[in-house]
Amino acid sequence: GIQVEQSPPDLILQEGANSTLRCNFSDSVNNLQWFHQNPWGQLINLFYIPSGTKQNGRLSATTVATERYSLLYISSSQTTDSGVYFCGGGYALNFGKGTSLLVTP
Amino acid sequence: GAVVSQHPSWVICKSGTSVKIECRSLDFQATTMFWYRQFPKQSLMLMATSNEGSKATYEQGVEKDKFLINHASLTLSTLTVTSAHPEDSSFYICSAREGISQPQHFGDGTRLSIL
Repeated sequence: GIQVEQSPPDLILQEGANSTLRCNFSDSVNNLQWFHQNPWGQLINLFYIPSGTKQNGRLSATTVATERYSLLYISSSQTTDSGVYFCGGGYALNFGKGTSLLVTP
Repeated sequence: GAVVSQHPSWVICKSGTSVKIECRSLDFQATTMFWYRQFPKQSLMLMATSNEGSKATYEQGVEKDKFLINHASLTLSTLTVTSAHPEDSSFYICSAREGISQPQHFGDGTRLSIL
């Protein structure tokens, strides 16, 4: 199956800072999604982005399908952004190990 | 739109019992549904993929006789953990998709604890 590598594994930011999370795929994927998992385990869908760039408020994502990677940008981070961010890709989403983000006041 | 409902959200039961988890797409028809398992501090691991009316396709290492999946309609899939043991305790999450080039929508998950 498709291997998904996420970086960085852990990230600590001060409120207001910007960050970039990365996802690399071992093969091309037709489906690609970014999620935020909250402390209760709920997966919040952030973007469905097999290619191109999308923006939603302070979040944006870019997928370069030909180079098999995707980036998630978080601008002006807030404490509520804390949690684990997962990317997944493939016919059935295969997930990376996630990036654990902590935003401090 | 695109809501997936999963029940129950929490189950505690004795070793040896069977547990059924339901996954429903509430406002769309799901041609494909997926079941994942997540251990604490780990990623989501795909267990199986099911298409309506067909047998589920299990990932390598997942016991099909232990984890029975039924996808009887375009809005309902069930996962039955048979003769559950403590090592089956985990967080199980389902997802559903309307079409191949469509996003997967996830349920809120089921926390299963086997005593």
